[in-house]
Amino acid sequence: KAGVTQTPRYLIKTRGQQVTLSCSPISGHRSVSWYQQTPGQGLQFLFEYFSETQRNKGNFPGRFSGRQFSNSRSEMNVSTLELGDSALYLCASSLDGTDNTEAFFGQGTRLTVV
Amino acid sequence: QKEVEQNSGPLSVPEGAIASLNCTYSDRVSQSFFWYRQYSGKSPELIMSIYSNGDKEDGRFTAQLNKASQYVSLLIRDSQPSDSATYLCAVMAWDAGNMLTFGGGTRLMVKP
Repeated sequence: KAGVTQTPRYLIKTRGQQVTLSCSPISGHRSVSWYQQTPGQGLQFLFEYFSETQRNKGNFPGRFSGRQFSNSRSEMNVSTLELGDSALYLCASSLDGTDNTEAFFGQGTRLTVV
Repeated sequence: QKEVEQNSGPLSVPEGAIASLNCTYSDRVSQSFFWYRQYSGKSPELIMSIYSNGDKEDGRFTAQLNKASQYVSLLIRDSQPSDSATYLCAVMAWDAGNMLTFGGGTRLMVKP
């Protein structure tokens, strides 16, 4: 059974540019969550999508956005990149929206903003 | 503000010993609890989930939950050098969809 796939694995962007990251969840999983991991702030929740709807959003500026497609694949976009956006971006896949749902992470996308 | 606290470590144990990792949380509506292992440069890997008070065992791992004390722990028996990693505690509240709130992680070092 294939795991969570994130592309690309590595990205280098310049300040002011925008970037789109992609996540394909485990087959059959309908919930996709995005997290940012930095040495200083640890793992922080960005947003969650379930059945193409954003169900929950973390405390990040509007430059961070996402969407989910009918096949449950998800993308996140960061516009007007800042140096502080350099981080490991992780996607987590969960089966559905019920309680006690385990989340499985992809390999992550390492974004460097220069 | 939901908070999850872990001792950052490093926690150093000899090979074959029991490693005990602790986590406290501040939100009383938290209902699902998870332990992830993260090797340097890799993504978090789910190793245990626990939802009810008491102990849950899976191989060398035992998770313990005490909701009254808002405390969850992970015991690793017969620790191996390959267990050396950062262990992340995560909680999920009933009213937050699938949002996980993570602690800062405890770095475990198992010395041969």
